[in-house]
Amino acid sequence: GQNIDQPTEMTATEGAIVQINCTYQTSGFNGLFWYQQHAGEAPTFLSYNVLDGLEEKGRFSSFLSRSKGYSYLLLKELQMKDSASYLCAALDGSYQLTFGKGTKLSVIP
Amino acid sequence: ETGVTQTPRHLVMGMTNKKSLKCEQHLGHNAMYWYKQSAKKPLELMFVYNFKEQTENNSVPSRFSPECPNSSHLFLHLHTLQPEDSALYLCASSQDRGGYNEQFFGPGTRLTVL
Repeated sequence: GQNIDQPTEMTATEGAIVQINCTYQTSGFNGLFWYQQHAGEAPTFLSYNVLDGLEEKGRFSSFLSRSKGYSYLLLKELQMKDSASYLCAALDGSYQLTFGKGTKLSVIP
Repeated sequence: ETGVTQTPRHLVMGMTNKKSLKCEQHLGHNAMYWYKQSAKKPLELMFVYNFKEQTENNSVPSRFSPECPNSSHLFLHLHTLQPEDSALYLCASSQDRGGYNEQFFGPGTRLTVL
């Protein structure tokens, strides 16, 4: 079956860098998504990786290693508004998206 | 209206009630999804529609009944629900099913079953 693991909670300081890890096991693989979800709001798309390596998009970067079944989301220059849950989701061989439980990030002054 | 909208935003119902959740997307997408989000659990895919045809039903109890009259609208009909069905129900859409297709989510309906 499908399995996505990511830490439940993390805390980081404003202005710092934080890395949120995700490991996945899926039947087939067609890519890895990261979504951001503020409390009480809809998840919003952050990134998509299907090839190994790092994709950078402003303050956010996402990394994928297909051989290790591993991804991370890197957030730089943290701001208070980055406090949210970050959802890792893997697209399996039948193009079904399986989500992890999410990592609740708290940014403190 | 832009993006994906859902109504109602909040719903409280008894176990014997019948209610419906509505989702509408204004993105010209062809695939629509229902997800359930419970506290401390991952987002669970319930149903998928692609070009108005249901392509997936992830072993969802029959007390949840989806309807997709056209590519822009998706309904979730609810009847004789259980308290454990209380959750946030999210609708999403994407260009189509398959390949890399970012899913756009609506704000969700917070459902409480008494």
